[in-house]
Amino acid sequence: DTEVTQTPKHLVMGMTNKKSLKCEQHMGHRAMYWYKQKAKKPPELMFVYSYEKLSINESVPSRFSPECPNSSLLNLHLHALQPEDSALYLCASSQNRDAEYGYTFGSGTRLTVV
Amino acid sequence: AQSVTQLDSHVSVSEGTPVLLRCNYSSSYSPSLFWYVQHPNKGLQLLLKYTSAATLVKGINGFEAEFKKSETSFHLTKPSAHMSDAAEYFCVVRVNTGGFKTIFGAGTRLFVKA
Repeated sequence: DTEVTQTPKHLVMGMTNKKSLKCEQHMGHRAMYWYKQKAKKPPELMFVYSYEKLSINESVPSRFSPECPNSSLLNLHLHALQPEDSALYLCASSQNRDAEYGYTFGSGTRLTVV
Repeated sequence: AQSVTQLDSHVSVSEGTPVLLRCNYSSSYSPSLFWYVQHPNKGLQLLLKYTSAATLVKGINGFEAEFKKSETSFHLTKPSAHMSDAAEYFCVVRVNTGGFKTIFGAGTRLFVKA
């Protein structure tokens, strides 16, 4: 299995809603990432988990809350989002945090905040 | 400072003609370099990577790139464009700044005309 699977593919939520994005990989990778990508821009790093521990938080607002229940799963909990948070959210994994062989990306969740 | 610059925001070619996407980097150390492709509403897919072995790197789908240290470049080429190559391409540099960091270029949109 050489894939990163993200669910849902699309999500529309109101500013008072609570929702979660899910990511799963079965490649034995020990580092997992959340990226945010706005239209016509490169991905921006949000969080890095290494061996299921939060390694990097790129000053992301607290309305985004990551969780890594085990080495295969990564969640992103969303609460009280703003319309400007609408974007494509990408999950990625790598063999380890050094990422010397690059990343494997999921197809993303297209989030719209209304 | 470590950085990566994609010299063209848009490139347009005719089907069957060569593709050249240009990337320059700035790094104090020997970097690792990657090219990723992103089709509309999809995640990023690794095309190829340079990690200090052979300077001419072959990737998937007929793409290749050459690492030129003297020119600090890592341009992506393909001899003959196919319609399915139309996508966004990101040049990415991995640098060691007391911990590894991945920096994305701004992206180059490739258009392929029939």
